[in-house]
Amino acid sequence: DVVMTQSPLSLPVTLGQAASISCKSSQSLVHIDGNTYLNWFHQRPGQSPRRLIYKVSNRDSGVPDRFSGSGSGTDFTLKISRVEAEDVGVYYCMQGTQWPPWTFGQGTKVEIK
Amino acid sequence: HLVESGGGVVQPGTSLRLSCAASGFTFRSYGMHWIRQAPGKGLEWVAYMWKAEDNGHYADSVKGRFTISRDNSKNTLFLQMNSLKVEDTAVYYCVRGSSAGSAPFDYWGQGTLVTVSS
Repeated sequence: DVVMTQSPLSLPVTLGQAASISCKSSQSLVHIDGNTYLNWFHQRPGQSPRRLIYKVSNRDSGVPDRFSGSGSGTDFTLKISRVEAEDVGVYYCMQGTQWPPWTFGQGTKVEIK
Repeated sequence: HLVESGGGVVQPGTSLRLSCAASGFTFRSYGMHWIRQAPGKGLEWVAYMWKAEDNGHYADSVKGRFTISRDNSKNTLFLQMNSLKVEDTAVYYCVRGSSAGSAPFDYWGQGTLVTVSS
């Protein structure tokens, strides 16, 4: 199984400042079809997760452009250019290249300082 | 739109069947997942089904105990959970999978809570 490792697990941020979350996979996430199936999700307290980014860097409809995804192979990053209050919650990376199983990172809790 | 139901409090060793009613898209054209989240914990993929005639794919933690199925005529996904264990306690989410031209995990239900306790 592909193990997904996120860091940090806790990220206190100042409003308006940038934030960055790392996600590393134990194996390359490049699929034989040439795509890299790495997703990012955001879960606010008491809510269902919401997909933010798919295939490394594609933002979902309605996701602010302050969110961006990057990376390749085994190293991936989610960046928030200017953190807003609504960005608090837990962020998860997830791979869909080598399945089953689909595997998630442990989650990174973002909170406002 | 995905709406789960069927959760509740059950004793270890018993069974429960979850349902997920889908609307607003062509259900039969999409693979479907169950993903769970234990209280205060992260996300864990549980099961996936593409076509109704498929056997489904399962996490090792539920293989042999859980069965995913679907009724495309009723736009409904199911998860039959047998021999439930305390560690199966979680919110269970129904999640839309992939279709031609569509990336998976884009729509999630609100979840249904399953509590396994003696």
